[in-house]
Amino acid sequence: SQQGEEDPQALSIQEGENATMNCSYKTSINNLQWYRQNSGRGLVHLILIRSNEREKHSGRLRVTLDTSKKSSSLLITASRAADTASYFCATDSGGGKLIFGQGTELSVKP
Amino acid sequence: DAGVIQSPRHEVTEMGQEVTLRCKPISGHDYLFWYRQTMMRGLELLIYFNNNVPIDDSGMPEDRFSAKMPNASFSTLKIQPSEPRDSAVYFCASRKDYTDTQYFGPGTRLTVL
Repeated sequence: SQQGEEDPQALSIQEGENATMNCSYKTSINNLQWYRQNSGRGLVHLILIRSNEREKHSGRLRVTLDTSKKSSSLLITASRAADTASYFCATDSGGGKLIFGQGTELSVKP
Repeated sequence: DAGVIQSPRHEVTEMGQEVTLRCKPISGHDYLFWYRQTMMRGLELLIYFNNNVPIDDSGMPEDRFSAKMPNASFSTLKIQPSEPRDSAVYFCASRKDYTDTQYFGPGTRLTVL
């Protein structure tokens, strides 16, 4: 069963613009993680935000978490063509098990 | 570290054949996960192990699927007999502890004809 649901399913922007992806989930969590997957490759971990955190930054990435709304957002600033990939949120509700959403397909046009 | 290693990277087989996928987790990681990814169903967790013991296999689709972890550095996912609907990319991932990030292998692309 899917815990996280990403929105939008697909996003197309120009290089230099910001990209925002949203994730909603259903049950309480210990942490929420974002991953990136380039076509034909494995998933790469981007950032982890714990349930007691509201915002986290890593380079051009900014993640927010609103546990009252059971939602998170991933912002990529000043996007580059190399950011083109699928982005997944994953929720950890305890026990080490991560449940992934369906992903947002981001296309950054040069 | 070499990261999570999976073999083979590609597997093409005929319906009814046995398929064995292999995974070597990152050394020192206590958790190992098997996922399946398809366009229709996305990324599904099949089973995961902690310290070589299966913890949750509720995602295993049916009895044709089995997974083992005989030691801390090796796991297999077996499909017997295979069916065309098993065609997917199978990922193995490992994690140091339950609060840590998860590292994925490159995946095995399985095609069952």
